[in-house]
Amino acid sequence: DAKTTQPPSMDCAEGRAANLPCNHSTISGNEYVYWYRQIHSQGPQYIIHGLKNNETNEMASLIITEDRKSSTLILPHATLRDTAVYYCIVRVGLVGNQGGKLIFGQGTELSVKP
Amino acid sequence: EAQVTQNPRYLITVTGKKLTVTCSQNMNHEYMSWYRQDPGLGLRQIYYSMNVEVTDKGDVPEGYKVSRKEKRNFPLILESPSPNQTSLYFCASSPRGGIGEQYFGPGTRLTVT
Repeated sequence: DAKTTQPPSMDCAEGRAANLPCNHSTISGNEYVYWYRQIHSQGPQYIIHGLKNNETNEMASLIITEDRKSSTLILPHATLRDTAVYYCIVRVGLVGNQGGKLIFGQGTELSVKP
Repeated sequence: EAQVTQNPRYLITVTGKKLTVTCSQNMNHEYMSWYRQDPGLGLRQIYYSMNVEVTDKGDVPEGYKVSRKEKRNFPLILESPSPNQTSLYFCASSPRGGIGEQYFGPGTRLTVT
């Protein structure tokens, strides 16, 4: 079972910041938070991941609360091409044979509108 | 260009006719994995491989086989396909034992009649 909870859908105006929330209240100390997105049945695309600290890359920012029970993915200036399903995933680091598994939930369908 | 390729991209076949979906990556990644995606069920892991000759079951391995004889290739084999294996399949690879980002292929849409 997915260990995360996301809203099923969200809208965002083009050019505005898109803030996608994710709850992961049962996250363990060695579990990372990952974000992927999938554009219309294409292969999922990695966006960003983090453990404790906030992270930023050229695509997005990831804000993780201090208790690590929730996080927010921020797309600073959403474009129409950012319309996709966004998946928040928690997974262990390299522990035993579970290191590689990504458990996808239902994700959030983000619609960026003109 | 760094990429994961899958072939075929689309396949329609009949029940019981063995088929293989190939997956290849050119990034020298250790880790490779197969997922299937079905409406309402999301992506589910079928099999994964931490390195050459090392494979293990994911969440939905029944009816599938894999092999990892070379680092770059990770074929998915359906010995006797059934209609419930109609799905969208994705192969993925990752450089370090599965941690860090995974790179996904473009997908293979399989229909079994």
